[in-house]
Amino acid sequence: DIQITQSPSILSASVGDRVTLSCKTSRNIYSNLAWYQQKLGEAPKLLIYHKDSLQTGIPSRFSGSGSGTDYTLAISSLQPEDVGTYFCQKYYSGYTFGAGTKLELK
Amino acid sequence: QVTLKESGPGILQPSHTLSLTCSFSGFSLTNNGEGVSWIRQPSGKGLEWLATIWWNNNTYNNPSLKSRLTVSKDTSNNQAFLKVTSVDTADTATYYCAHMFNSGFFDYWGLGVMVTVSS
Repeated sequence: DIQITQSPSILSASVGDRVTLSCKTSRNIYSNLAWYQQKLGEAPKLLIYHKDSLQTGIPSRFSGSGSGTDYTLAISSLQPEDVGTYFCQKYYSGYTFGAGTKLELK
Repeated sequence: QVTLKESGPGILQPSHTLSLTCSFSGFSLTNNGEGVSWIRQPSGKGLEWLATIWWNNNTYNNPSLKSRLTVSKDTSNNQAFLKVTSVDTADTATYYCAHMFNSGFFDYWGLGVMVTVSS
């Protein structure tokens, strides 16, 4: 099985900061990676698919990058409404989610 | 506009079978490439993919629960179903259904339905 690891588990940042979240897999997943945002009490929302494709309606301050086993979600200028938990998900060799990164305001 | 909505029993007893329904609109599970998945999330924890059914009736289950899961569909009524047999307290979670199209990510999600397994 391909393992998926997100870091950090908790991230505190200030409004306007650039933040980066990491997702690493134990084997190459050939860019078959998506990112989701989940706000408290809500369903997850798709942000990014195919490692760097922005889902329709998602603000351009969100971006994805990476290759092989290492992937990153970046928020260029953190906004208060970006608070929540972010999950990565691989869809190569099965569907598996990372444990999540909880993003808080400092 | 794709929408999905889950429904279920709310609470059930250990060893019983959990039956969930996903009612959807904005797509049809008769169309090439369309799929519906089930994903669950225990309170305060992460997401676990459970099962997927595709337009062509192909189904895939999480190997860790494979023998306990059955996914099916009713294309006439735009519904998908999940059955989980022999539930126990570890199956207590919010259960989501989600839309997929020709790929492995979940682009539209329902609001989720909370299921509690308790005696």
